[in-house]
Order: sequence, then C-alpha cells, then structure tokens
Amino acid sequence: EPEVTQTPSHQVTQMGQEVILRCVPISNHLYFYWYRQILGQKVEFLVSFYNNEISEKSEIFDDQFSVERPDGSNFTLKIRSTKLEDSAMYFCASSDRTGAYEQYFGPGTRLTVT
Amino acid sequence: QQQVKQSPQSLIVQKGGISIINCAYENTAFDYFPWYQQFPGKGPALLIAIRPDVSEKKEGRFTISFNKSAKQFSLHIMDSQPGDSATYFCAASSNSGYALNFGKGTSLLVTP
Repeated sequence: EPEVTQTPSHQVTQMGQEVILRCVPISNHLYFYWYRQILGQKVEFLVSFYNNEISEKSEIFDDQFSVERPDGSNFTLKIRSTKLEDSAMYFCASSDRTGAYEQYFGPGTRLTVT
Repeated sequence: QQQVKQSPQSLIVQKGGISIINCAYENTAFDYFPWYQQFPGKGPALLIAIRPDVSEKKEGRFTISFNKSAKQFSLHIMDSQPGDSATYFCAASSNSGYALNFGKGTSLLVTP
C-alpha cells in the first residue's frame, strides 16, 4: 500500500539553526501539506502546496518557513532560524484531489530545538 | 478561535463496549468531516469520513453520525477492542480551502 514517508524521524538542532524536513508523498498525489503537532496538543495546519506554489498557509507559517518541491518526488519544509517553540512533530500529508479530501499523513519528524 | 470542538478529552471503555466521541463545528462552509486515529509515535491515519449529504456512514465497527442542523458529528466504535486504544481526532474542511481543522483529540483506552 502506498504511503507517505518522512526523513529524518528525529532531528535535534540548536536555536537559530536552519533545518530541512523531507517528505516523499504518495506517487500519484498532486496536493501536499505540512502540519505540526506540539506535544500533547492538536494537529495544526501549516501550509498546502499545489502545482509548485503555495495554495494556503496558516498564521504559523511565517517568513521563517518555506516549502519546496525540488524534484518529482520530494517535498521539503525549511525553517530558516529555529526557535525553541518550533519543537514539535511535523507531519507531511498528501492527497490526490483538491479540497483536502482524503489526506494521508506520514509518520512525522520530531524536531527538537535546544 | 477553535473551529472544531471535540469531547471528551479522554475516555475509558471496557472491551466490547461502545466508544462515543463527539465533535461540533461553527463554520457552515465545512463540507468534509474525517476522523483520524493516531497511535503514539505515529502519524494520524484516516479512519472514516463523511459528507453532509448523508446522516450516517458505517465502515465495519466504526460509524459516523452527522447532524447538519446542530453542526455536530460523532464517532461510534462498536465492540471496542484493546487495539482501538489510541487518540482520535475529528477534523473538518471546506472545498474552498485545503486546511484540515482538527479537534483537540480524545485519548481512548479500552480495558480488557
């Protein structure tokens, strides 16, 4: 069964450093998303991406964040200068249709900012 | 502003019992209501979803009940099993946007 994969599973970084989280969406999917989940809290939407551009972004997704689809299979989330409050699980998701229908999530990357 | 409110925060059910989790929403533009199951250390897994044109959808032991006028929907897990112990999130989205708006989650424990 096709699945979304994410690397690394755990990333530890120092405050102020740049991190890139990587995702490989399901191969025939066209819509890609990033969400985050701070420990013990709900899953929060960050950004959606379609046709090589951002479709929608939340208030959380400020100028420190960027997304890219550098090739036909990868989808990345970059945080330019990490803050302590960026520590969270980051989930990539993908869907084959617009409107967020049937989004499939990856296993997540746990980001720890020290 | 919390777009989707979920209750209870935690739930303990005996094996074989019925687990019921409730959600309410405010945005009448929402037209897709999925439920996700999450085990510790894993990503949310799509469990079942409903559109507002039907009042109920059943898949195996899992049933969504939907009340459009009350803007509420609920997940029923029949014959609950210890393997169902997980966190369950309701969510909602509209076809004019892409973001899934999640509830805060319900931690379900099914005791043997």
